[in-house]
Amino acid sequence: KAGVTQTPRYLIKTRGQQVTLSCSPISGHRSVSWYQQTPGQGLQFLFEYFSETQRNKGNFPGRFSGRQFSNSRSEMNVSTLELGDSALYLCASSFFQGARGTEAFFGQGTRLTVV
Amino acid sequence: AQKVTQAQTEISVVEKEDVTLDCVYETRDTTYYLFWYKQPPSGELVFLIRRNSFDEQNEISGRYSWNFQKSTSSFNFTITASQVVDSAVYFCALRGQNFVFGPGTRLSVLP
Repeated sequence: KAGVTQTPRYLIKTRGQQVTLSCSPISGHRSVSWYQQTPGQGLQFLFEYFSETQRNKGNFPGRFSGRQFSNSRSEMNVSTLELGDSALYLCASSFFQGARGTEAFFGQGTRLTVV
Repeated sequence: AQKVTQAQTEISVVEKEDVTLDCVYETRDTTYYLFWYKQPPSGELVFLIRRNSFDEQNEISGRYSWNFQKSTSSFNFTITASQVVDSAVYFCALRGQNFVFGPGTRLSVLP
């Protein structure tokens, strides 16, 4: 069974540009969550999608957005990139949404560098 | 508000030593789940263990064991007979609607 796949693995962008990251969850999983990991702030929750609907959102500006497709694949978009957006972006998939007992399976992440 | 604290920033041990990683959490929920994840240099978070708030029985799984004490809001994780491959950053996490992670503890196991 394939794990969570995130593409691309590495990305370098310039300030002011926008970027789209992709996440393919484990087959059969319908919930996809996104997390930002930085040395200063640690792992922070961005948002969660389930059945193509955003179910939960963290405390990030509107420049961060996402969507989920009917096949459960998800994309997140960051517009008007800032230097502080440089981070490892992790995607996690779960079978259920918000089911507290369900562990999430994480991808290897996309390392975004904004220059 | 939910919060997870891992007071140990970095730990170094020599191979075959036992090591305990500390985790203290805060939540107002009566039902919650606690997790430990490991993050090797490759970046992905690897699920290790899960415990729900109603089950304080401590268990052992291979070289891993955990000590959940609701009275002190602690969920400590022990690796027995550590190995070099255990070197990674370990995260304690609390799950409600989404995960709240601690800052992580970097474990270095030296040969």
